[in-house]
Amino acid sequence: DTGVSQDPRHKITKRGQNVTFRCDPISEHNRLYWYRQTLGQGPEFLTYFQNEAQLEKSRLLSDRFSAERPKGSFSTLEIQRTEQGDSAMYLCASSFWRSSYNEQFFGPGTRLTVL
Amino acid sequence: DAKTTQPNSMESNEEEPVHLPCNHSTISGTDYIHWYRQLPSQGPEYVIHGLTSNVNNRMASLAIAEDRKSSTLILHRATLRDAAVYYCILRDNTGTASKLTFGTGTRLQVTL
Repeated sequence: DTGVSQDPRHKITKRGQNVTFRCDPISEHNRLYWYRQTLGQGPEFLTYFQNEAQLEKSRLLSDRFSAERPKGSFSTLEIQRTEQGDSAMYLCASSFWRSSYNEQFFGPGTRLTVL
Repeated sequence: DAKTTQPNSMESNEEEPVHLPCNHSTISGTDYIHWYRQLPSQGPEYVIHGLTSNVNNRMASLAIAEDRKSSTLILHRATLRDAAVYYCILRDNTGTASKLTFGTGTRLQVTL
């Protein structure tokens, strides 16, 4: 198992453009999470899926953000009409949900720079 | 999730033990204490978690105060590879636990 992978690792775009990121979780994991991290801060939760259902969305996830996990496997995060404030590291994590705890395994992240 | 308080930074010499404190005075009875760390240019990784009793694993030990209002992550022999930001996180255990709520963590520097 190669762990959680994210693509691309880096993305530079101009303000107003749309971008899409992909996350491939660990294969048997049924939960998938998206976080955003800006410099000097801890990651902030954006949204998560259990299988293909999106169960929670943060108020940070504006209308310009949309996430999908169509077959309960990989997920995409799209940002429309990017703004400079969207520049951040976007982290994906996955876990196998159990009632006691569910350790989250993080990918390396996609660093977005909006010019 | 309840709030935690950690020092912004700490320093340690290599091969020496490191005690990373975390205060969580508003912890509830169903909150587990989790620790994650983030190495430079990587995503966070799980370190350890506990509820009431002290816990040990191959990476670290977790000492939990009797009143559960504070805890300490212990790295028994710090190495240069342990230089990272360490996050103390409380997670509810009622079965709906999902997101991790990160603070700003403690940046650990390890020197020779």
